[in-house]
Amino acid sequence: DQQVKQNSPSLSVQEGRISILNCDYTNSMFDYFLWYKKYPAEGPTFLISISSIKDKNEDGRFTVFLNKSAKHLSLHIVPSQPGDSAVYFCAATGTASKLTFGTGTRLQVTL
Amino acid sequence: EAQVTQNPRYLITVTGKKLTVTCSQNMNHEYMSWYRQDPGLGLRQIYYSMNVEVTDKGDVPEGYKVSRKEKRNFPLILESPSPNQTSLYFCASSPRDSANYGYTFGSGTRLTVV
Repeated sequence: DQQVKQNSPSLSVQEGRISILNCDYTNSMFDYFLWYKKYPAEGPTFLISISSIKDKNEDGRFTVFLNKSAKHLSLHIVPSQPGDSAVYFCAATGTASKLTFGTGTRLQVTL
Repeated sequence: EAQVTQNPRYLITVTGKKLTVTCSQNMNHEYMSWYRQDPGLGLRQIYYSMNVEVTDKGDVPEGYKVSRKEKRNFPLILESPSPNQTSLYFCASSPRDSANYGYTFGSGTRLTVV
């Protein structure tokens, strides 16, 4: 049973435009949500997170929105840059010892 | 440099031949974990450890063993590897209270079992 779902396997966006990556979850016990970025041949790197008591968190070009009633979160990247091309994983946790990951969305930022 | 180091990066082995993938972190983190990444399945947790001598199963522990004798090391042991354990493996670590920072991951070990 996939508790964290990323329904779009891939996304293509033009440089300078907004990228929106979506994630849905089913477990209401999750209290932190995180986004990771992964380049080929590297491990995932932490990007941004949000607590379940907030609905928005911003860090530079990256903003994460959380809609608890819909069990949905999204990552907005504005403006998108070619270096943002990577696989993005959504993850959720109820304890620090366990992250539950989605299946990932491959973002391609084109010139 | 703060990092999680896994070895080897690439490994091809035969069915049934015991192997160990090593993992070491230099950040004095309490929590360590092993994940495997497979196409269409994302990253799935194999085992985790909350401190020395404290380990527990994740979502896909079958066929794997771990040990945590020292804080910095968390090796993954495959006693009798099988082809369905062909995967990309990641070790990760985090401080105790890191829910909003998550894990720091190693660069991965690509394992092929033939």
